[in-house]
Amino acid sequence: DSGVTQTPKHLITATGQRVTLRCSPRSGDLSVYWYQQSLDQGLQFLIQYYNGEERAKGNILERFSAQQFPDLHSELNLSSLELGDSALYFCASSEQMNTEAFFGQGTRLTVV
Amino acid sequence: AQSVTQLGSHVSVSEGALVLLRCNYSSSVPPYLFWYVQYPNQGLQLLLKYTTGATLVKGINGFEAEFKKSETSFHLTKPSAHMSDAAEYFCAVSDLRGNTPLVFGKGTRLSVIA
Repeated sequence: DSGVTQTPKHLITATGQRVTLRCSPRSGDLSVYWYQQSLDQGLQFLIQYYNGEERAKGNILERFSAQQFPDLHSELNLSSLELGDSALYFCASSEQMNTEAFFGQGTRLTVV
Repeated sequence: AQSVTQLGSHVSVSEGALVLLRCNYSSSVPPYLFWYVQYPNQGLQLLLKYTTGATLVKGINGFEAEFKKSETSFHLTKPSAHMSDAAEYFCAVSDLRGNTPLVFGKGTRLSVIA
């Protein structure tokens, strides 16, 4: 158990819909990362927050957004979903910026 | 920009044989280097990391990796493969100044044959 909690574990939704993925980092970790894992793209970095502030952005679509709350949990919002958004979405956390990251179990999103 | 290349998307070894998974990185600044393992339907688990100091790094489950700056490599090895080692392995790079998030390679799937 990494100490990073992601909910829900599985999500099935229709095209055009909006979903929210939730992440609780390890106790004491200030940095949260979101990654998307798909068969064709591998593990893609989406976005990073540190102590509530956005610190880095990767290949995140404009339809996607995220935030980190004062209690350090984070949410990833995916809107206007397309079939191609089906993937595993991982949250990871680390104590400081860009040291080793600890991953949650992921949310498997299926868009039908 | 940093990048990681993992040579071989699939490696197959016999039980008891040497495991060698290759990773080359590109970084304009001194790197942090990591190996992660992913078992089916699970998240990524840290195997080992290199930051500074000793270039031979030991990790969990008998794995180790050696940082070779001249070759920009960080290959993962294990002397004797077990069936339980079958998984996906990812090499990742960050930078010592902590300015960039972890960048992952595309992964290498390790199969262990009885």
